[in-house]
Amino acid sequence: QVQLVESGGGVVQPGRSLRLSCAASGFTFSASGMHWVRQAPGKGLEWVAVIWYDGTNENYADSVKGRFTISRENSKNTLYLQMNSLRDEDTAVYYCARDSSPIATLWRFDLWGQGTLVTVSS
Amino acid sequence: EIVLTQSPGTLSLSPGERATLSCRASQSVSSSSLAWYQQKPGQAPRLLIYGASSRATGIPDRFSGSGSGTDFTLTISRLEPEDFAVYYCQHYGNFGLGTKLEIK
Repeated sequence: QVQLVESGGGVVQPGRSLRLSCAASGFTFSASGMHWVRQAPGKGLEWVAVIWYDGTNENYADSVKGRFTISRENSKNTLYLQMNSLRDEDTAVYYCARDSSPIATLWRFDLWGQGTLVTVSS
Repeated sequence: EIVLTQSPGTLSLSPGERATLSCRASQSVSSSSLAWYQQKPGQAPRLLIYGASSRATGIPDRFSGSGSGTDFTLTISRLEPEDFAVYYCQHYGNFGLGTKLEIK
């Protein structure tokens, strides 16, 4: 079954860290560019980060640059998002999404996970 | 940064009617990277249209996309009950704020 399953969300205090995971199955993960997209409660979609199929290139939204790191472990078919120095405004459902292109040139998100909720609160 | 403005914010229609959703870019964009997504409450978004006018796998032909330059349109020819949802347009890392399609 072709799917993405996120995990690692939860409640965390401002300034702390959290790592999200996204487990892929049913397709060739190592040939897929991958993204993280988030959605604050009741709000629209916000792109967060992208990584190429081989992990050699990555890019970030300005809102998370310097605080978040996207990475992948192709041997484990897993995508990660390391989130440091978390802020209240990072509260959102975080989705991982597959790009139709290995080097994410299409920015076409053709497969999404179900999302994991991150709540930043003291 | 390119801003995508979707209109209307909310569209109230009845099943069987035709829906026309607009997405306007703040500057001319490449049609090849313009996509539309559908999101139902509590669910992840689903890719409907890519390249401005190509339907994604498994998407019914009542959904169609058109446009170029700064103006793009998603059309649903005859609304089915399951089509009532929020629709987003996207270009690279930019999403519109969405159009909520609700039952009248």
